[in-house]
Amino acid sequence: GAVVSQHPSWVICKSGTSVKIECRSLDFQATTMFWYRQFPKQSLMLMATSNEGSKATYEQGVEKDKFLINHASLTLSTLTVTSAHPEDSSFYICSARPRAWVSDTQYFGPGTRLTVL
Amino acid sequence: SQQGEEDPQALSIQEGENATMNCSYKTSINNLQWYRQNSGRGLVHLILIRSNEREKHSGRLRVTLDTSKKSSSLLITASRAADTASYFCATDRAGSYQLTFGKGTKLSVIP
Repeated sequence: GAVVSQHPSWVICKSGTSVKIECRSLDFQATTMFWYRQFPKQSLMLMATSNEGSKATYEQGVEKDKFLINHASLTLSTLTVTSAHPEDSSFYICSARPRAWVSDTQYFGPGTRLTVL
Repeated sequence: SQQGEEDPQALSIQEGENATMNCSYKTSINNLQWYRQNSGRGLVHLILIRSNEREKHSGRLRVTLDTSKKSSSLLITASRAADTASYFCATDRAGSYQLTFGKGTKLSVIP
């Protein structure tokens, strides 16, 4: 149980285009989903916290107009990188916290590698 | 902001040896978690230790937590080649479940 999927697993796009990444909790409902970014050989940096039915909360320095987050249901959150540029190339990972569980554990997706040419 | 710092940044050991990784953090926490990441993949949750716990075991893993020193250690006993991965500690922000990750330790276990 507690599986989180991401789609796509990798994407290559041209500079200036927008890319949407999906994060799904497959066998549980997630009150909260988190989006992280990881540059090569570096750690994960929290970008934003996404609560179902409300606006995402962005970390300092993360442009909310560039990284659009939509948490439309208890099992799906999407991250759209708008007008992507090469510096947005990174590994994007989501995580989900189960609604019904009294647990501090988050479950992570497998990540999406974005390459902007 | 990043508050966790792991050391060493990289560790190379022979199969069968024990591997110890350390993590320090700066602010008060509710719990501390350790994750594993294979190259280019997602994170796997290893173990969670709460702020009122001092030691926890799970299989070949042993985690300690010293809140007075704001530090934790992860010990992997009898390492295997399959343990080769990056290991991250993560601390929560009180009441928010948001995690702050350390920089990680890259462990290489040589067969």
